Amino acid sequence: AQKITQTQPGMFVQEKEAVTLDCTYDTSDQSYGLFWYKQPSSGEMIFLIYQGSYDEQNATEGRYSLNFQKARKSANLVISASQLGDSAMYFCAMREVNDYKLSFGAGTTVTVRA
Amino acid sequence: IAGITQAPTSQILAAGRRMTLRCTQDMRHNAMYWYRQDLGLGLRLIHYSNTAGTTGKGEVPDGYSVSRANTDDFPLTLASAVPSQTSVYFCASLSNTGELFFGEGSRLTVL
Repeated sequence: AQKITQTQPGMFVQEKEAVTLDCTYDTSDQSYGLFWYKQPSSGEMIFLIYQGSYDEQNATEGRYSLNFQKARKSANLVISASQLGDSAMYFCAMREVNDYKLSFGAGTTVTVRA
Repeated sequence: IAGITQAPTSQILAAGRRMTLRCTQDMRHNAMYWYRQDLGLGLRLIHYSNTAGTTGKGEVPDGYSVSRANTDDFPLTLASAVPSQTSVYFCASLSNTGELFFGEGSRLTVL
């Protein structure tokens, strides 16, 4: 069963605007971690942000923030003030603490327009 | 430079041939993973290893095997390659803080 769902295959955003990438997850565990990764066209995987299930505050890293809604099992990534260099594929991932496996969603392609 | 090294970066392979993708990390991470990336499917876990000497099956293990003789190395073997194994393969390791470090990927084409 798919544990991570990203419903937006592709999105366009205007430069300097904010964009929200959706991610929902499925787990019965109380303790887990949520991750977002960026994959530019060059292919490497770049870690962006992490949210633990017990963290009371939403994680932020520079222009990236994670809108964590535990009851709804969603972990949306918000990119503020989009830049042309933000054009990439973005993956949401989850790791249940008692399980070393880390599952990824199908990804969302973001294209930033000048 | 600390990190994960994968080899080869790219390979074209005839169906039926045996192939081993190499992965080495120098960060002393216990947990390591092999993923394949296919368009529209994201990254799917093939095999993983929690620590040296142990391995486990991921979502799509069929046709692949792994070994973990030591902490640093985690090779992935295709015993008899098939065209459906054409993909980009990523090796990764998990730090104590929960961050997953990726190699640069190995692009494999099976003809």
